[in-house]
Amino acid sequence: DAKTTQPNSMESNEEEPVHLPCNHSTISGTDYIHWYRQLPSQGPEYVIHGLTSNVNNRMASLAIAEDRKSSTLILHRATLRDAAVYYCILRGGAGGTSYGKLTFGQGTILTVHP
Amino acid sequence: DTEVTQTPKHLVMGMTNKKSLKCEQHMGHRAMYWYKQKAKKPPELMFVYSYEKLSINESVPSRFSPECPNSSLLNLHLHALQPEDSALYLCASSHPPGRGTEAFFGQGTRLTVV
Repeated sequence: DAKTTQPNSMESNEEEPVHLPCNHSTISGTDYIHWYRQLPSQGPEYVIHGLTSNVNNRMASLAIAEDRKSSTLILHRATLRDAAVYYCILRGGAGGTSYGKLTFGQGTILTVHP
Repeated sequence: DTEVTQTPKHLVMGMTNKKSLKCEQHMGHRAMYWYKQKAKKPPELMFVYSYEKLSINESVPSRFSPECPNSSLLNLHLHALQPEDSALYLCASSHPPGRGTEAFFGQGTRLTVV
């Protein structure tokens, strides 16, 4: 399965933008890039996903490198409620060897300071 | 309704007991997943069901037995567990994986084996 590499932890101040990086150098052409976050004592929550183009939604933006070997999750204005573990995941698409899997890496612990 | 409901929320069982975890969704998703999460670790994929058929078993011991009786319901039958099986068990659902769509997670069942 293609793996992702993320920093163990990052810190931010409230109201400031946060850029969470993810490397996935072995990504295959059918893998989607997904981001989830997990707050303490809760199940993971979907944030955003993309295949090749940058994506925006109400929670965040996803910037995908042209060669797709890395991506960055952007939280435009961090709040205290954004403090969580953020997971970058490659989700196998149809025809890929990891089809059907949603495999979590170690994730990045985001701390937001008031 | 975008909820995945897991019951019970907490479960304590002895090593000789038989118990079941239940997961339910009414979003019309035809893919359902079981994950195991130990403290301060990422969720680990256990099983994937696609159209009510087991499509992925990540070499899980036979003391864990999944069942998908219909498209809305997923069970995990537990028998002769060990204390090291104590963990948070998460259920998730999604549209068929090939479409790259997001997964929705339940809040989990916290299992303690004594």
